[in-house]
Amino acid sequence: DQQVKQNSPSLSVQEGRISILNCDYTNSMFDYFLWYKKYPAEGPTFLISISSIKDKNEDGRFTVFLNKSAKHLSLHIVPSQPGDSAVYFCAASEGSSNTGKLIFGQGTTLQVKP
Amino acid sequence: DGGITQSPKYLFRKEGQNVTLSCEQNLNHDAMYWYRQDPGQGLRLIYYSQIVNDFQKGDIAEGYSVSREKKESFPLTVTSAQKNPTAFYLCASSIDRGLRYGYTFGSGTRLTVV
Repeated sequence: DQQVKQNSPSLSVQEGRISILNCDYTNSMFDYFLWYKKYPAEGPTFLISISSIKDKNEDGRFTVFLNKSAKHLSLHIVPSQPGDSAVYFCAASEGSSNTGKLIFGQGTTLQVKP
Repeated sequence: DGGITQSPKYLFRKEGQNVTLSCEQNLNHDAMYWYRQDPGQGLRLIYYSQIVNDFQKGDIAEGYSVSREKKESFPLTVTSAQKNPTAFYLCASSIDRGLRYGYTFGSGTRLTVV
């Protein structure tokens, strides 16, 4: 049972344009969401997070939007740069459980073309 | 520099052997985690520990064992009972159970059964 889903395995965009990565979840108890970026043969690095009490969080070129009613979140990267080419994972947590466990999606491979 | 060190980077195991993957952190984080990454499946939680001398099973703990005798160290043993151990293994730690600031991941160990 996949509680966090990234339905697009890959995405290709032109440099300078917007990249939009999507993530859906099924567990209404999730109250914290995070995005990670991963290069091949390396560990993921934390990008940005959002609490369920918010619907938007912005950090530089990265913005995460949360639509709780649709159980959907998205990561916007503007403008996209070739160095953004990587695998992006969304993750969710039941903060109230206090375990720190994160449930990850399958990942979306982003390619930014020069 | 603070961080998480995983070793070795590549590991080959024969059928029926136990192998131990090392994970050391000097971030003074209380919580540590082991995840497994398989193609198209994202990251799945094997074991986690929130405090020394205590650890909990994750979603796919069968065939694995861990110990947490020191705050800095969280080794993972892949036993012969693990039917399909070939994967990329990631260790992580967090200061706040992974929510606001996310996990810090190591660079991973790729285990191959030969």
